[in-house]
Amino acid sequence: GEDVEQSLFLSVREGDSSVINCTYTDSSSTYLYWYKQEPGAGLQLLTYIFSNMDMKQDQRLTVLLNKKDKHLSLRIADTQTGDSAIYFCAEIFNYGGSQGNLIFGKGTKLSVKP
Amino acid sequence: SQTIHQWPATLVQPVGSPLSLECTVEGTSNPNLYWYRQAAGRGLQLLFYSVGIGQISSEVPQNLSASRPQDRQFILSSKKLLLSDSGFYLCAWSETGNAQPQHFGDGTRLSIL
Repeated sequence: GEDVEQSLFLSVREGDSSVINCTYTDSSSTYLYWYKQEPGAGLQLLTYIFSNMDMKQDQRLTVLLNKKDKHLSLRIADTQTGDSAIYFCAEIFNYGGSQGNLIFGKGTKLSVKP
Repeated sequence: SQTIHQWPATLVQPVGSPLSLECTVEGTSNPNLYWYRQAAGRGLQLLFYSVGIGQISSEVPQNLSASRPQDRQFILSSKKLLLSDSGFYLCAWSETGNAQPQHFGDGTRLSIL
């Protein structure tokens, strides 16, 4: 079955880089996503990467995709206290029909210490 | 630009009472709509999705139901709430078509007493 795995916690110091890792199972996934959830709020789409790309950079965010190992990572440069949140990795899982649904990992809680 | 609204933001209900959570999307037509539940363990569970008016797909058997009476309105309901229905409920929308990113509302915190 489909599964997305993430480590549950990550703690870094302000100004350091954070790297959040994710593994997924569906090799036919076309897009992979990173969402951010602040306490008590909904999920905010941070970035996504198409499966034919190895890397995508967007300001402080860098997404790396290793399709062979089905490994996705999100690097946050110069991490700030405002980056403290839960980060979800998600893949599109295609059930064979026209509707692909997102499968989420359990989320990585990033804590940024001043 | 597109926006998604969910209400209420928080709700406290007794066991056995009915439920109605509403979600509306503005600025787009014929979106795909989704209801998720996020329990204390933080994972998101897809409950229902809809690709059009009156078309509802259920992902897991449960005490809840969903309806889409209008193109941009998605309602989550229950006739009799259970304690296990407590959680954080999130509505999301995406453009029609496969592999489109989903955009989430702010969620409803439901507590059952």
